[in-house]
Amino acid sequence: LAKTTQPISMDSYEGQEVNITCSHNNIATNDYITWYQQFPSQGPRFIIQGYKTKVTNEVASLFIPADRKSSTLSLPRVSLSDTAVYYCLVGGENTGFQKLVFGTGTRLLVSP
Amino acid sequence: SQTIHQWPATLVQPVGSPLSLECTVEGTSNPNLYWYRQAAGRGLQLLFYSVGIGQISSEVPQNLSASRPQDRQFILSSKKLLLSDSGFYLCAWNQLQGANGELFFGEGSRLTVL
Repeated sequence: LAKTTQPISMDSYEGQEVNITCSHNNIATNDYITWYQQFPSQGPRFIIQGYKTKVTNEVASLFIPADRKSSTLSLPRVSLSDTAVYYCLVGGENTGFQKLVFGTGTRLLVSP
Repeated sequence: SQTIHQWPATLVQPVGSPLSLECTVEGTSNPNLYWYRQAAGRGLQLLFYSVGIGQISSEVPQNLSASRPQDRQFILSSKKLLLSDSGFYLCAWNQLQGANGELFFGEGSRLTVL
């Protein structure tokens, strides 16, 4: 299973763009990259998923370079409510959606 | 729509006592089911996953066990709790075929072992 490495914590201010990078050097050919958000005392919630290049939805963008050994979650114009822990996971049907491993994640603190 | 529920939400148990956490999923069939544990300030640790009735895979050898008596029911148990079993337990489900593997989590069960 591909292991992921993320910064332990990040600080930002309201209205700024936040970029959280995840390293996954051993990503397999069929693996997807998925990001989750977790608030205290809640289960993680799916944010975005991608395989290559760029994916954008209503809350975030995901940038994946050609070698796929890293990915960057971009949160535009963060607000206080974006304070949470963000997890990067890699996996797929062939390599183990059923064994998705959450690392320690990145704790994002957004201040006024 | 699909829903997932787990209970109890909060539990305080003495060391050496038994444990039973239950999780049920509605609105889908043959889901993959998971139990995760999160210690205070830490990431999620995968404990068990199940791809079908009676099929349980354990990720961490310990005094916990899991069972899946029905398609959409997943139970986490222990015969004798340890202090180190304290934590936030999360049940989750997903589908593998034709899906992106998105995990859907329950509300969580906070266990304190004293």
